[in-house]
Amino acid sequence: GAVVSQHPSWVICKSGTSVKIECRSLDFQATTMFWYRQFPKQSLMLMATSNEGSKATYEQGVEKDKFLINHASLTLSTLTVTSAHPEDSSFYICSGTATNYGYTFGSGTRLTVV
Amino acid sequence: AQSVTQLDSQVPVFEEAPVELRCNYSSSVSVYLFWYVQYPNQGLQLLLKYLSGSTLVKGINGFEAEFNKSQTSFHLRKPSVHISDTAEYFCAVSNEYGNKLVFGAGTILRVKS
Repeated sequence: GAVVSQHPSWVICKSGTSVKIECRSLDFQATTMFWYRQFPKQSLMLMATSNEGSKATYEQGVEKDKFLINHASLTLSTLTVTSAHPEDSSFYICSGTATNYGYTFGSGTRLTVV
Repeated sequence: AQSVTQLDSQVPVFEEAPVELRCNYSSSVSVYLFWYVQYPNQGLQLLLKYLSGSTLVKGINGFEAEFNKSQTSFHLRKPSVHISDTAEYFCAVSNEYGNKLVFGAGTILRVKS
């Protein structure tokens, strides 16, 4: 079946640094990638939607200059958390979609900013 | 706008007992409904989905759900749970297959021996 590989699984970074999270669709071409964040004991909140080759569409309240999303190819999308702060600590999950493939979720990235 | 309400934040149940996890949705257009399971620090695994057709949907691991349009519900059921079913379950809705999913708050299922 369809697989989205998400890396890293967990990362600890210092406040003020940037972190990049990658999601690769391994056996299908993800025309759309959704990025979610999940705080402890809470649900998934959509951050942004990216389509290959175009700028991402951000949900209300999500800072596009802080959460940079790139979807330059049909198999790779990245989320960069710039100038990370402790309040950015969260679980980030991507989900790739394509015709006939539905939604395929990555395994998530646990980000801790210290 | 779409929304999903999962009525129970936690459901404790004994092993081999039946369980129902409740989900209600609101949407002004067509709906596509999903149930996902999440184990700690992992991504989401699809249990089942309703796109169209039969309102009773069967999924993996013995789970099933029934789409009830008049009650705007999509409750998840399993006739006999196992310890390994302990996890968090999310109901989600989309107004078009492939569009963004809106998730409920989640229900933690705790299966006790």
